[in-house]
Amino acid sequence: EPEVTQTPSHQVTQMGQEVILRCVPISNHLYFYWYRQILGQKVEFLVSFYNNEISEKSEIFDDQFSVERPDGSNFTLKIRSTKLEDSAMYFCASSAWRGGAEVADTQYFGPGTRLTVL
Amino acid sequence: GEDVEQSLFLSVREGDSSVINCTYTDSSSTYLYWYKQEPGAGLQLLTYIFSNMDMKQDQRLTVLLNKKDKHLSLRIADTQTGDSAIYFCAERLGGYQKVTFGTGTKLQVIP
Repeated sequence: EPEVTQTPSHQVTQMGQEVILRCVPISNHLYFYWYRQILGQKVEFLVSFYNNEISEKSEIFDDQFSVERPDGSNFTLKIRSTKLEDSAMYFCASSAWRGGAEVADTQYFGPGTRLTVL
Repeated sequence: GEDVEQSLFLSVREGDSSVINCTYTDSSSTYLYWYKQEPGAGLQLLTYIFSNMDMKQDQRLTVLLNKKDKHLSLRIADTQTGDSAIYFCAERLGGYQKVTFGTGTKLQVIP
């Protein structure tokens, strides 16, 4: 069964450093997403991406965050200057073409990257 | 804005049924989901229901939706120790891509 993969599984960085989290969405999916889960808190939506541009973003997704699809398979989240409060589990998700079939709108999640900012 | 609430903890004996409850606030919800998260793992989609449905059954899982009360439940029949995990209720509003998650219910299955 196809699945979303994420690398690395755990990233440790110093405050102020840039990090790039990587994801490989399911191959025929066209919508891509990032969510985060701070320890003990809810899973929160960050951003959605379609056709090489951001289609929706939350108030959390400020100027220090950016997303990119650098090639036909990868989807990345960059945090320019990490803060202590960016420590969280970051989940990538993808969904198929939203053409009306209910299953196509369902988001499938990767295993997550645990980001620790020291 | 949308908000999804769940009880934090549920403990059941192996072989019994588990019922995990969820309430949501936005009546525009189009899709409602149940995700499972095992320790150290990601979010596994279990099942989903359209807001125009009342019930959906999938093997041991039964989802009940009460739109009037904005209440969603997940029933797991014949609960097994492998069902021990955190279960997240989630909603997505029509026309939006953002999925809003509940706090998660930790299910403990006692052998």
